[in-house]
Amino acid sequence: DQQVKQNSPSLSVQEGRISILNCDYTNSMFDYFLWYKKYPAEGPTFLISISSIKDKNEDGRFTVFLNKSAKHLSLHIVPSQPGDSAVYFCAASGLAAGSYQLTFGKGTKLSVIP
Amino acid sequence: DAGVTQSPTHLIKTRGQQVTLRCSPKSGHDTVSWYQQALGQGPQFIFQYYEEEERQRGNFPDRFSGHQFPNYSSELNVNALLLGDSALYLCASSWRGGYNEQFFGPGTRLTVL
Repeated sequence: DQQVKQNSPSLSVQEGRISILNCDYTNSMFDYFLWYKKYPAEGPTFLISISSIKDKNEDGRFTVFLNKSAKHLSLHIVPSQPGDSAVYFCAASGLAAGSYQLTFGKGTKLSVIP
Repeated sequence: DAGVTQSPTHLIKTRGQQVTLRCSPKSGHDTVSWYQQALGQGPQFIFQYYEEEERQRGNFPDRFSGHQFPNYSSELNVNALLLGDSALYLCASSWRGGYNEQFFGPGTRLTVL
């Protein structure tokens, strides 16, 4: 049973446009969400996170939106750059429930076309 | 400032053998978590070590065990290797048990023949 789902295995976007990556979760105990980027032959790199007490968090070109009622979050990258091409993982944890483990989705491969 | 380091980078073993993977956390971090990433999947949580004790464990058999040393570095041991244990093993470190982001190392690619 997948508790974190990334339903789009891949996404192609033109350079300069917005990339929107989506993530859904099923476990109501999740209260902290993170996005990681992964290049081949490297470990995941932390991008941005959001607590369940917020609905938006921004860091430069990256913005994460959280809709708790829909159990949905999204990562917006504006503007998209060729160097953003990578696999993006959504992850969740239930800190208030004492669970520190990260539960990951299967990832979305983003290709930014120059 | 050194990030999370892991050794070895690659490893080839045969079924039934035992393997030990090593991880040094990012400077200032005291918590180490281990994940297994199979091809085409997201990382799956194996366990977390904090204050030299296994604090939390995922859905992995007892063949997977670990240890954390006083300098916060950690080892992952896998006994009686199966073909299905072939994967990328990732170590992640964080501060104070993970009330914040976990930072990942480059991983160890384990191949079981």
